[in-house]
Amino acid sequence: DAGITQSPRYKITETGRQVTLMCHQTWSHSYMFWYRQDLGHGLRLIYYSAAADITDKGEVPDGYVVSRSKTENFPLTLESATRSQTSVYFCASSDPPEWTLSGRFWGGSTRDTQYFGPGTRLTVL
Amino acid sequence: AQTVTQSQPEMSVQEAETVTLSCTYDTSENNYYLFWYKQPPSRQMILVIRQEAYKQQNATENRFSVNFQKAAKSFSLKISDSQLGDTAMYFCAFMKLRHSNTGNQFYFGTGTSLTVIP
Repeated sequence: DAGITQSPRYKITETGRQVTLMCHQTWSHSYMFWYRQDLGHGLRLIYYSAAADITDKGEVPDGYVVSRSKTENFPLTLESATRSQTSVYFCASSDPPEWTLSGRFWGGSTRDTQYFGPGTRLTVL
Repeated sequence: AQTVTQSQPEMSVQEAETVTLSCTYDTSENNYYLFWYKQPPSRQMILVIRQEAYKQQNATENRFSVNFQKAAKSFSLKISDSQLGDTAMYFCAFMKLRHSNTGNQFYFGTGTSLTVIP
């Protein structure tokens, strides 16, 4: 099915282990994002990517590593998992923004909307 | 920095009634987008409605509409004729537009849990 998928959906690991969460989208969206969702914090951006081989830090990048060798995949790796990384992780994707008719800023269509995967619940013991 | 505030952690509404969820945000940007996302128990994030800041007309999508007050930096969501399937967590989100190739960042509120009572 077309869309955005995440795997695994549930993961339990131990402190200090390396964990990789996978994200795959079939829309050929240029932009992809990783968020974590915690009670009292809503969703916080971890990393994002504008295109293959282009990544940048978000609000809470420490302890995470990303790569984007192919447009459709955006894996998130916890190099040495900690209990504070217990969370629900969401991957999202979107088309690149477009120039408006005025050319003054990017945007103006549903291409700017982010579409989310189903989430991965990660527990670090 | 951009912040998004949802001051109502929990709300409830009788089926078929109307409910309004509030959202305020703080930004120095002039051009941006605002979104409401719905997260049902399945945990999937579903786009409900979006609003471009440069548009004065409030966005509507079937039973969902927004009251966008740019000067007040307020973006409330009105759900009319509430249905049991509307029970979910609702997140308000702000997206800053950029003149660059590094992507548009979203900033989310902490969410409002809405329960529709039969």
